[in-house]
Amino acid sequence: RKEVEQDPGPFNVPEGATVAFNCTYSNSASQSFFWYRQDCRKEPKLLMSVYSSGNEDGRFTAQLNRASQYISLLIRDSKLSDSATYLCVVNGAGGGADGLTFGKGTHLIIQP
Amino acid sequence: DAGVTQSPTHLIKTRGQHVTLRCSPISGHKSVSWYQQVLGQGPQFIFQYYEKEERGRGNFPDRFSARQFPNYSSELNVNALLLGDSALYLCASRPDRGRYSPLHFGNGTRLTVT
Repeated sequence: RKEVEQDPGPFNVPEGATVAFNCTYSNSASQSFFWYRQDCRKEPKLLMSVYSSGNEDGRFTAQLNRASQYISLLIRDSKLSDSATYLCVVNGAGGGADGLTFGKGTHLIIQP
Repeated sequence: DAGVTQSPTHLIKTRGQHVTLRCSPISGHKSVSWYQQVLGQGPQFIFQYYEKEERGRGNFPDRFSARQFPNYSSELNVNALLLGDSALYLCASRPDRGRYSPLHFGNGTRLTVT
């Protein structure tokens, strides 16, 4: 099983729709979780941290399920500007000294 | 406040040459990490430096080396370049060595080896 696994997509979603994607991780001892957004040929940017109780930031909601070892990202009322690659990042999943392991990313395309 | 800055933005090199990439962390951040991202993949960890000492190394050959300076800026060096070294090289910083805080990335250096 890969350390951090994501469905690469692409997810083609009409503007205004709700979209959700999951990320699974292999190390049950993982302590912290993040979603990063990466636009084409740009650097990853922190979208949100993921807390055990779940957290929301505007149209974005992140959830953590420790029992099943996955995190999820829900985007409501999707905008054209949400088109990007979403990287799942897990600490303690066997990553390097800084502890972070990145998934390959899920490509999201919002269509007008 | 300035974010993480990297230079150069783009670079084209020939096989066998060497390259030096530079990074300045966010002011007050003492930890710098380097990542390599090839097309279609997530970033892969190369090095972490904290307080001028190497704290970790990913699964990269010895052709890759790095260092951190007293002002916490960092350099990544790659010798004997191969075509497969073509990638986006990302520098990221965080305030401390800890594993629980997110990384803040620079714009990256896009290296093309021909």
